[in-house]
Amino acid sequence: GAGVSQSPSNKVTEKGKDVELRCDPISGHTALYWYRQSLGQGLEFLIYFQGNSAPDKSGLPSDRFSAERTGGSVSTLTIQRTQQEDSAVYLCASSPEDTQYFGPGTRLTVL
Amino acid sequence: DQQVKQNSPSLSVQEGRISILNCDYTNSMFDYFLWYKKYPAEGPTFLISISSIKDKNEDGRFTVFLNKSAKHLSLHIVPSQPGDSAVYFCAASASGTYKYIFGTGTRLKVLA
Repeated sequence: GAGVSQSPSNKVTEKGKDVELRCDPISGHTALYWYRQSLGQGLEFLIYFQGNSAPDKSGLPSDRFSAERTGGSVSTLTIQRTQQEDSAVYLCASSPEDTQYFGPGTRLTVL
Repeated sequence: DQQVKQNSPSLSVQEGRISILNCDYTNSMFDYFLWYKKYPAEGPTFLISISSIKDKNEDGRFTVFLNKSAKHLSLHIVPSQPGDSAVYFCAASASGTYKYIFGTGTRLKVLA
């Protein structure tokens, strides 16, 4: 069966540009998470979607970050006016209950 | 404030021996703990979990021990195999919440 997929796998952008990262969760999983892993750091929670409830955006580091989840399935994380400190691996995970299933991540490099 | 800490960034173990990975937490509300394994260029994969009502959970070569009074958990892998070489993350959550707090990971290298 298909796991969580993310695209692109790698993204190199210039400082100040906007980027969109996509996550396709496992079908039927109601919960979806975005995390960020910077070099030498653990997984940093960004945002959580659960069904039709309002998302928990408490982990978003600034108002340049936003995320949507359309139709309870695909999610897009958007970073506007990227900065060099945004360089990290962005991981998406979906979950039916307690266990999270992670995608392979998108490695974002901001030059 | 790092609520979940993995103080050893790396660990090397000989094949066939026991690997012990440690994790400490500070929030006494945490009652569910998980270990994830991560290979390069892949997302973390779930390995094993433990609820605070238990002090041990075993799955094949993997055993997780929880010491609630010390706010400490450990993952034992025995016998260790070269394919176990990866980064291991522990994570914790509290009942009724969906947020998982992850440690910074320990890179395990199993030497053949």
